[in-house]
Amino acid sequence: RKEVEQDPGPFNVPEGATVAFNCTYSNSASQSFFWYRQDCRKEPKLLMSVYSSGNEDGRFTAQLNRASQYISLLIRDSKLSDSATYLCVVNVNAGGTSYGKLTFGQGTILTVHP
Amino acid sequence: NAGVMQNPRHLVRRRGQEARLRCSPMKGHSHVYWYRQLPEEGLKFMVYLQKENIIDESGMPKERFSAEFPKEGPSILRIQQVVRGDSAAYFCASSPFGQEFYEQYFGPGTRLTVT
Repeated sequence: RKEVEQDPGPFNVPEGATVAFNCTYSNSASQSFFWYRQDCRKEPKLLMSVYSSGNEDGRFTAQLNRASQYISLLIRDSKLSDSATYLCVVNVNAGGTSYGKLTFGQGTILTVHP
Repeated sequence: NAGVMQNPRHLVRRRGQEARLRCSPMKGHSHVYWYRQLPEEGLKFMVYLQKENIIDESGMPKERFSAEFPKEGPSILRIQQVVRGDSAAYFCASSPFGQEFYEQYFGPGTRLTVT
């Protein structure tokens, strides 16, 4: 089983749509959770950290369910510029020195069309 | 505040040559991480360094790959005797502290092509 699993998509949605991405992680020792976005052939850019209480940043809402080991990202009112690959990222602190290691999902491809 | 800088952005090497990839972290960041993204694959952790120390190299291939982060200067990822399978995008990230809840910020990457 992969450490971090995402639906690869692709998701093709019209402008203005609401789209949701899901992610599951296998290691219950996971401590920190993030969503990054990656444009074609570019570096990953931090979109938002994900907290147990859930958090919102403009059109983006992230949720974490530790019991189910599940993370979600909701994008409202999609824009053309939201087209990218969305990466679910987990940091596992398994003790010792491994806390620096980010584990990435394969990414979910989103295309927003006019 | 300049972001994470990497150079070169593109590097072409013939099989058997050495590749040196450089990374300068964001100002004020003393923790550096290297990741590799093979074609059509996700990013994979390679190594985590602080100044003059390797903290976690669990993702580094056992042979030909080494990394350093000297007291002065950028972090270097070195690949000796490159093979075609080393062709990938290599990303460096930095964070101000080494705890898990600090976000990591990525550089633009070095695209290595081995011919």
